[in-house]
Amino acid sequence: EAGVVQSPRYKIIEKKQPVAFWCNPISGHNTLYWYRQNLGQGPELLIRYENEEAVDDSQLPKDRFSAERLKGVDSTLKIQPAELGDSAVYLCASSLDAESTEAFFGQGTRLTVV
Amino acid sequence: AQTVTQSQPEMSVQEAETVTLSCTYDTSENNYYLFWYKQPPSRQMILVIRQEAYKQQNATENRFSVNFQKAAKSFSLKISDSQLGDTAMYFCAIYSGGGADGLTFGKGTHLIIQP
Repeated sequence: EAGVVQSPRYKIIEKKQPVAFWCNPISGHNTLYWYRQNLGQGPELLIRYENEEAVDDSQLPKDRFSAERLKGVDSTLKIQPAELGDSAVYLCASSLDAESTEAFFGQGTRLTVV
Repeated sequence: AQTVTQSQPEMSVQEAETVTLSCTYDTSENNYYLFWYKQPPSRQMILVIRQEAYKQQNATENRFSVNFQKAAKSFSLKISDSQLGDTAMYFCAIYSGGGADGLTFGKGTHLIIQP
């Protein structure tokens, strides 16, 4: 069984440029999470999807961040425009459903904004 | 809201020794789950062990075991017979059911196993 797949693995962009990250969750998993992990810190939740609905986006900086999960499968996280402080690892995770306690993580995208 | 505190930024032990990583948490929920995740340099978070709060028996997975003290809100991880491949960041996390906060992680402990 394939795990959570994220791309790209690394991305370097100049500040004020847009960037997008892609996540393909495990097949059949209805719940999808996006986390941001700053250097030396634990992951912090940005947004959670149940199927195609964003049910918790309170930590998503909505002035520059956006996310979508079309058809309740793949998801895209976008930043426009990127700032220096956005440099971090962006992790995607999925679980069977909202009540499932085990989340499976992808390998993340390391974003560097210069 | 739920919080997780890991007070040991880094630990180093010799191969084959036993090491204990500390974690304390706070939640207003009665039903919750606690986890230890391992994050090697590949960045992928790997679940090490899970504990349901309503279970009094401490969870074990091969060389990994926990000491769950519910009243003290403490959840430590013991690694026995440590191996070089155990070198990684270890994160304690809590999930309070319903998914409102997702998983909340601590800041992590960098564990180094010396040959």
